Amino acid sequence: AQSVTQLGSHVSVSEGALVLLRCNYSSSVPPYLFWYVQYPNQGLQLLLKYTTGATLVKGINGFEAEFKKSETSFHLTKPSAHMSDAAEYFCAVSSNSGYALNFGKGTSLLVTP
Amino acid sequence: EPEVTQTPSHQVTQMGQEVILRCVPISNHLYFYWYRQILGQKVEFLVSFYNNEISEKSEIFDDQFSVERPDGSNFTLKIRSTKLEDSAMYFCASIRDRGLNQPQHFGDGTRLSIL
Repeated sequence: AQSVTQLGSHVSVSEGALVLLRCNYSSSVPPYLFWYVQYPNQGLQLLLKYTTGATLVKGINGFEAEFKKSETSFHLTKPSAHMSDAAEYFCAVSSNSGYALNFGKGTSLLVTP
Repeated sequence: EPEVTQTPSHQVTQMGQEVILRCVPISNHLYFYWYRQILGQKVEFLVSFYNNEISEKSEIFDDQFSVERPDGSNFTLKIRSTKLEDSAMYFCASIRDRGLNQPQHFGDGTRLSIL
């Protein structure tokens, strides 16, 4: 069985500040890990993914995440928040990119001026 | 860039009625998925579909649900007798091939409201 825990249902940062959204996973097999973003009234857009290889993955809009097996974590970061980053962020785990995604409960990111 | 499209964007239905949610996956994709998101809760997997068969389904996907690919482009989710608790956002997703480490591409969803 696989699951994801996202710490913090709401995170607020100032514009220009570091964004850190936490994700810890549980998986009995090597995980495939994903971050998706959801803007209001829109679908889920992939930010980045980890399947195999390099543990630091870069995604769109300046986001990156690091897979740390020892910590079972896949935290999402961005050095400098922009107002347009305000959205709901979902971490997800799968045993393969083509199998069912198990999502976390999501973290709502608020960016203040 | 090709997109997954879903119709309608919002569906309002009386409890007990049948509803069909429609999706057009990306044209060269072979695997199709339905997920749902009840308001305020996480996105949950319902079912995956490949080669005209269900390949994986969750506990949520009980006998009142069914999926179909009636033609070469559409992928539908049918709920036979809707309940209040079926009110949710339903997302369709697709992927070209499981073996290519590609992410699932999601549509914008259909908001289903059961009255």
